[in-house]
Amino acid sequence: AQSVTQLGSHVSVSEGALVLLRCNYSSSVPPYLFWYVQYPNQGLQLLLKYTSAATLVKGINDFEAEFKKSETSFHLTKPSAHMSDAAEYFCAVKTGGFKTIFGAGTRLFVKA
Amino acid sequence: NAGVTQTPKFQVLKTGQSMTLQCAQDMNHEYMSWYRQDPGMGLRLIHYSVGAGITDQGEVPNGYNVSRSTTEDFPLRLLSAAPSQTSVYFCASSYRGTAGEAFFGQGTRLTVV
Repeated sequence: AQSVTQLGSHVSVSEGALVLLRCNYSSSVPPYLFWYVQYPNQGLQLLLKYTSAATLVKGINDFEAEFKKSETSFHLTKPSAHMSDAAEYFCAVKTGGFKTIFGAGTRLFVKA
Repeated sequence: NAGVTQTPKFQVLKTGQSMTLQCAQDMNHEYMSWYRQDPGMGLRLIHYSVGAGITDQGEVPNGYNVSRSTTEDFPLRLLSAAPSQTSVYFCASSYRGTAGEAFFGQGTRLTVV
């Protein structure tokens, strides 16, 4: 069965600092992996997705994620945090079907 | 392009009342789904549909009903509201295929008193 674990329900960084949000997945077959962002009182929107074309995936707003099969990880990074990055981030997995399984989410706080 | 549209945005119900949350998409997506979002639990799948006339249960289907008579619409019915159904509800749609990402509506915040 598929599952997603996001390490840390809350992450706080200073403006300009590196952002690192951790995601580990469990899947018996090659997965498709996604990161979504949710701003307050809004729906989720896609940041980036991994579909086996390249292990380093670049998304919107300078976010990127690296698929590491040996570590079953898909961590999200951004070199320099901006105040506007404050939001909740969800890692998700799909394997060979329709259902998307979401992690519990990580809320990112950015301090001035 | 409107994408996925949910109505209403907010709703307060009394215990035992019924209501329908509306969801419509204009992207001709085959797949549609309903999730509920609760603090610390991520998004949990309630019901989903792989095409008009085809629906199936997700992770937490009890107390909810769905139907899909057209490609565009996928309403969620609460049969007899309970306080445990207080949540934020999201409708999503996607293309057929595992690589397709989900497109979400803005959500409906439901409170059952």
